[in-house]
Amino acid sequence: DAGVTQSPTHLIKTRGQQVTLRCSPISGHKSVSWYQQVLGQGPQFIFQYYEKEERGRGNFPDRFSARQFPNYSSELNVNALLLGDSALYLCASSLAGGEATGELFFGEGSRLTVL
Amino acid sequence: GENVEQHPSTLSVQEGDSAVIKCTYSDSASNYFPWYKQELGKRPQLIIDIRSNVGEKKDQRIAVTLNKTAKHFSLHITETQPEDSAVYFCAARDNYGQNFVFGPGTRLSVLP
Repeated sequence: DAGVTQSPTHLIKTRGQQVTLRCSPISGHKSVSWYQQVLGQGPQFIFQYYEKEERGRGNFPDRFSARQFPNYSSELNVNALLLGDSALYLCASSLAGGEATGELFFGEGSRLTVL
Repeated sequence: GENVEQHPSTLSVQEGDSAVIKCTYSDSASNYFPWYKQELGKRPQLIIDIRSNVGEKKDQRIAVTLNKTAKHFSLHITETQPEDSAVYFCAARDNYGQNFVFGPGTRLSVLP
């Protein structure tokens, strides 16, 4: 069985540009969450989507947005990139969402470098 | 909101010794506490978890204990091996279930 897949694995952008990161959850998983992991720190929650609806949002500016598609895959968009957006962006899927959210299965991440 | 602290930030042990990592959380309503292992350049992977209705859980060389009153939980690794070397993250699931709050991580080095 395929795990959580993310693309691209690495990308380099310049300040002010926009980026779209993609995630495909494990088959049968309906919840997708996005986390930002800055080097040397723990993952920080950005969004959770369940059944194509936003169920939670972390303390990130409106430059960050996301959506979930009918096949439960998801995209994370970041506009007007700043140097501080450089990080590993992790997608995690889980079987259920909301209060029933159980184990998170992480993808390998998309490493974004902003120059 | 929930805040998770984790100690120590780095830990070096000799192969065969035990390692203990401790975390504290602030929200008494948090009810699920997983531990993740992240090897260099790899994804975080769940190694053990515990729910708030249980005080201890063990899986071979790994165990987790939870003290709800004190709001802290700990990871215990016995008979450490070089392949246990990694960064370990504790986490607490918040009251609404959407958000896992992670600790800052502990870099464990097992010296042969």
